[in-house]
Amino acid sequence: DVKVTQSSRYLVKRTGEKVFLECVQDMDHENMFWYRQDPGLGLRLIYFSYDVKMKEKGDIPEGYSVSREKKERFSLILESASTNQTSMYLCASSPPPGQRNTGELFFGEGSRLTVL
Amino acid sequence: AQRVTQPEKLLSVFKGAPVELKCNYSYSGSPELFWYVQYSRQRLQLLLRHISRESIKGFTADLNKGETSFHLKKPFAQEEDSAMYYCALSGRGGGSQGNLIFGKGTKLSVKP
Repeated sequence: DVKVTQSSRYLVKRTGEKVFLECVQDMDHENMFWYRQDPGLGLRLIYFSYDVKMKEKGDIPEGYSVSREKKERFSLILESASTNQTSMYLCASSPPPGQRNTGELFFGEGSRLTVL
Repeated sequence: AQRVTQPEKLLSVFKGAPVELKCNYSYSGSPELFWYVQYSRQRLQLLLRHISRESIKGFTADLNKGETSFHLKKPFAQEEDSAMYYCALSGRGGGSQGNLIFGKGTKLSVKP
């Protein structure tokens, strides 16, 4: 059973603080993604990664960065948190294109971040 | 531009009534469409994909390329179907490598 684990379920931070959101998957997936989920806006892709030390911008990368030092771990970084980054953050993983990939993304439980 | 449109933010039906959650997409290549569901306090999970042409929990969805639609249907709604539903598009044929484009979601509420 695929397991995607996000280390923090709930965080409260102050404006200007640096925030790390960690995500670990145990299925040896090459692809990992960070989305934010907001009511009325759905899921929007922030960053994704197809391999270690590799990253690609999604649709809303401004104010965020990522780190993929190991295959199983994908971190989302908010260098200086702002109130408009209050949201639910979802991490996901999937195998690379090919036979193993059915198109399905496997999601973590989410990290709800509140920036005061 | 790739886009997924779910016109209804909220859909409320009574138990036993038919349900149709609408999804329209915009994509120039050969799309793959999915429905994801998120039950209260649970993680987002795949419900079904158009390639499989399967029925999951009584739900079906048919890809209509002419109307660029992928509506989710169930003939008799159950209270446990209450959840947030997202339609998603994978543009893998267009060069993407697996990231999904999601609609804004429809909250289904099934009343007793």
